[in-house]
Amino acid sequence: QSALTQPPSVSGSPGQSVTISCTGTSSDVGRYNRVSWYQQAPGTAPKLIISEVSNRPSGVPDRFSASKSGNTASLTISGLQAEDEADYYCSSYTSTSTWVFGGGTKLTVL
Amino acid sequence: QVQLVESGGGVVQPGRSLRLSCAASRFTFSSSDMHWVRQAPGKGLEWVAVISYDGSKKYYADSVKGRFTISRDNSKNTLYLQMNSLRPEDTSVYYCAKEGGLGIWLGPDYWGQGTLVSVSS
Repeated sequence: QSALTQPPSVSGSPGQSVTISCTGTSSDVGRYNRVSWYQQAPGTAPKLIISEVSNRPSGVPDRFSASKSGNTASLTISGLQAEDEADYYCSSYTSTSTWVFGGGTKLTVL
Repeated sequence: QVQLVESGGGVVQPGRSLRLSCAASRFTFSSSDMHWVRQAPGKGLEWVAVISYDGSKKYYADSVKGRFTISRDNSKNTLYLQMNSLRPEDTSVYYCAKEGGLGIWLGPDYWGQGTLVSVSS
């Protein structure tokens, strides 16, 4: 149950786009379309922003989009806003009926 | 809106036990699979365990297998995590979370605010 690999940090200016990668293996990300993304602001609980690779729950702005190719999933945030500054985590279902999270990526809006 | 309220956290000595509870409301708890996820101070999220809606299926992270037990009482709309043989590395905020899928596991959707467990002598 090794953690998925995410970059520790990304940054961008307001209005720009950033992409966060999430690399797993053929036993998790590569095998199932059950990749989720979570946003966690400091001192708060995680919030689901993407499920099933690319589905946005109701209320999540369409500035958030995601995709998957092979063993790597990606989250793109376009039109960056100051309120997007947070930690972002990916997660995936695995072949052992468990879940694995990425190490998290800190997004800084410059 | 889904509501999940964790309780039972605190300071405990290594080797001792603790039971966490998660009170669920504003959704059909008895039809929902449930997760526990933890987060060590300043660290990332770590999935801990999942239980099916009827308690018949339970899966655990390797790091807690054999020490932690997930359970539920649908008559009380409550999820539990019994933690035995606690270690300093178990120190974390523990979140309960509702499973987002129905009939297929997609991962947590709604999360509680968490309860802090600190294992220290």
